[in-house]
This record gives sequence, C-alpha cells and structure tokens, in this order.
Amino acid sequence: GDSVTQMEGPVTLSEEAFLTINCTYTATGYPSLFWYVQYPGEGLQLLLKATKADDKGSNKGFEATYRKETTSFHLEKGSVQVSDSAVYFCALSNQAGTALIFGKGTTLSVSS
Amino acid sequence: DAGVIQSPRHEVTEMGQEVTLRCKPISGHNSLFWYRQTMMRGLELLIYFNNNVPIDDSGMPEDRFSAKMPNASFSTLKIQPSEPRDSAVYFCASSPTSGIVNNEQFFGPGTRLTVL
Repeated sequence: GDSVTQMEGPVTLSEEAFLTINCTYTATGYPSLFWYVQYPGEGLQLLLKATKADDKGSNKGFEATYRKETTSFHLEKGSVQVSDSAVYFCALSNQAGTALIFGKGTTLSVSS
Repeated sequence: DAGVIQSPRHEVTEMGQEVTLRCKPISGHNSLFWYRQTMMRGLELLIYFNNNVPIDDSGMPEDRFSAKMPNASFSTLKIQPSEPRDSAVYFCASSPTSGIVNNEQFFGPGTRLTVL
C-alpha cells in the first residue's frame, strides 16, 4: 500500500545552518504531497504542499519539490532558527484523495 | 476562529474503564478525522467522517473503539474497555471539504491518554 518514509531523527543543527529532511514515498497514481509541522504541545500545522510533479511548495523559508522520478519530497531551509525546532511530518494523500498517510516524523532541534 | 477544540487535554484512567474523547471541529468544515499518535507507530488515521457520516473506519483498531458524529459541531471517540496499549495522543482534525487533495487539515491540540 501507499507509504511515506522519512529520515530518522533527531536532527540537531546550529542556528543559521542548512536543513534537509529527506522524504520518499510509495504510491499508486499521483498523490498530493505535504509537509506538516508539530511544535511542542500542539497539533500539526500544514507547512507546505505540492499537488503535481515538479511543483515546489514553499512557506516560511522552507521549500520542497515534488520529484516524481525519484518519488521524493525533501524539505529544505537555507538558514534555520531556534524557533524552527519541532517535529516535521511528510505526508501524501491516499488514492481516493480523502485522507493523509503520514511518515513517522523527524525531530529537529536548533541551538543558538 | 477558535480552531479545532479537543477535550480533555489529558486523561489518566485505569485499565477496563470507559474513556470518551471529544472534538469540536471548525465551524463550516465538512470533514472530520480522528488520529492516534504513538512513538512506535507514528500518526495513524482511525476514522474519517464527511458531512457527519463515517466514510472510512478501517483504521479503528478493534471493536473496543467507536466514534460518533451526531451533528456537524461535535464528535466523540470512545474506548470501552480501555487497555494500557491504548495510551497515546489522540488528535482530531477537520477540513473544509470532502476531498483533501487541495485542502488543509486543521488539527486540534490533542488528548494525551494514559491507561494504567
């Protein structure tokens, strides 16, 4: 069945470092892809999305490009801040387009 | 807009007891989702409602779990009887329309359930 694989965490970076969190997927058809972020003690929030191949989603300095040839949707940010410390979830829409399938999440910790 | 509201935020109960988790979706949203989050299994979809009707409950782990949505502004997830392995954070999310392809899901803050 459809699935999402994220890099294992935690990822520990210094402020202003470059961030990459890898995400690959297995899916039938052409899913939409999402990154959600969960700050401590809160629910998930949509960070960015891409609905078709070669689309780039971006928000708050984060970017991810939908790569159909490599079935990937890696999250990147050029310069992380302490406030970016959170858990990041990659997700794809199921075939019916009615629900999301999440990866296990990657914890990011940024120190000053 | 108050966002998705869940109650209680924390619940500690003993094995065998009934547990009821509550959710109020964002007004005007047609779809509601219940998720469970654990360290071992990550975030799992339990059940999904559209216009108050359960559409997909294939993620509900077993008959001890049941969910209802009596109206557009309220849903419950019940566990009876509860077991220690049910300990997790349970999230409710809502979405404006039935398809999620281009629509964001808005998550509540979650209910942390501990079953002793």
